[in-house]
Amino acid sequence: GAVVSQHPSRVICKSGTSVKIECRSLDFQATTMFWYRQFPKQSLMLMATSNEGSKATYEQGVEKDKFLINHASLTLSTLTVTSAHPEDSSFYICSARDFSAGGDTGELFFGEGSRLTVL
Amino acid sequence: GQNIDQPTEMTATEGAIVQINCTYQTSGFNGLFWYQQHAGEAPTFLSYNVLDGLEEKGRFSSFLSRSKGYSYLLLKELQMKDSASYLCAAMDSNYQLIWGAGTKLIIKP
Repeated sequence: GAVVSQHPSRVICKSGTSVKIECRSLDFQATTMFWYRQFPKQSLMLMATSNEGSKATYEQGVEKDKFLINHASLTLSTLTVTSAHPEDSSFYICSARDFSAGGDTGELFFGEGSRLTVL
Repeated sequence: GQNIDQPTEMTATEGAIVQINCTYQTSGFNGLFWYQQHAGEAPTFLSYNVLDGLEEKGRFSSFLSRSKGYSYLLLKELQMKDSASYLCAAMDSNYQLIWGAGTKLIIKP
């Protein structure tokens, strides 16, 4: 299946700093990528839909100025957590769908996830 | 509103069979997904159903009834490595995934 790579897998930062997480589709072009946040023992929560070449679509309650999303190419989307605070500590996961070869089963391919700890 | 319901936790014995149920309510429907997620890792795809019936894939099978808004994931010949959370997700008319909270499956020897 398609491969999505996410980096870094773990990051620890001080409160008030900014952290950038990268999500790459390695063997397909992803016009749309999705960013999720997952707190312990809870399900995935969609934060935003990242669209190549245009602004991201944020879910209700997600601060777009705090969680900056840039989808500059068909294989890369980045999520920047600005002025991070301890409550932003979470597991952030990106995903993408592979629409190539005329087929889309709707299957989402997930990155490995990034665990953010804000001290 | 849109909603997914699945049990919070289930326990089963190694070698046995377990069925994890999921009911959904969405605005439109474009398929039902099951994902497996081990602790601290990203989810991995297990199955996709859009038509009524049973889809079998090795030890795992998934069933869908669109008229009842119901799906189940059936795991046979359970192995210890099957201990994980199983996420049910329904795709609505806008092709957005609505996620359940996940079912934590505990396998005992």
